[in-house]
Amino acid sequence: DSGVTQTPKHLITATGQRVTLRCSPRSGDLSVYWYQQSLDQGLQFLIQYYNGEERAKGNILERFSAQQFPDLHSELNLSSLELGDSALYFCASSVRDRGSPLHFGNGTRLTVT
Amino acid sequence: AQKITQTQPGMFVQEKEAVTLDCTYDTSDQSYGLFWYKQPSSGEMIFLIYQGSYDEQNATEGRYSLNFQKARKSANLVISASQLGDSAMYFCAMREGLGNRDDKIIFGKGTRLHILP
Repeated sequence: DSGVTQTPKHLITATGQRVTLRCSPRSGDLSVYWYQQSLDQGLQFLIQYYNGEERAKGNILERFSAQQFPDLHSELNLSSLELGDSALYFCASSVRDRGSPLHFGNGTRLTVT
Repeated sequence: AQKITQTQPGMFVQEKEAVTLDCTYDTSDQSYGLFWYKQPSSGEMIFLIYQGSYDEQNATEGRYSLNFQKARKSANLVISASQLGDSAMYFCAMREGLGNRDDKIIFGKGTRLHILP
């Protein structure tokens, strides 16, 4: 158990809809990262937060947004969903140290129909 | 530009043999970290091993070792005495930008390893 909790595990929704994915980081970790993994693809970095502040942005679409709250949990909002948004979305947390690995949640599998 | 390159999309290895998964990276940072993760078919991401750019010795964790060649910018994962349970996708990752505002961790596209009985 990595200590990172992601909800929900599975999400099925229709095109055009909006969903929110939730992540609770490991106790003590201030950094939260979001990644997207499409079928048989690598992990695409979306966005990173550190102690509530956005720190780095990757290939995140304008239809997607995220935030980290004072209690350090984070939410990823996906709107105007398209079929191509179907993917496994991972949240990971870490301390801010080069030797610290990312600890991943089990992911949210999003299916857009 | 690709920062992490894993040139082997797929590999087939006989059980009990050693296997080397290749990873090359590109960074201008002096301080960075390299990681390997395993993703079995169940989907979770499992941290395997870490190598720091200033570490002089290659990292080892049980059957996993990291062959770090800094001048060549390579960080290959070696799995000794492979087991059927090692069949999975393996990702190489790099953490750079530490000390800056943006602390990015970039993943390669992965290598799918199949262990044959």
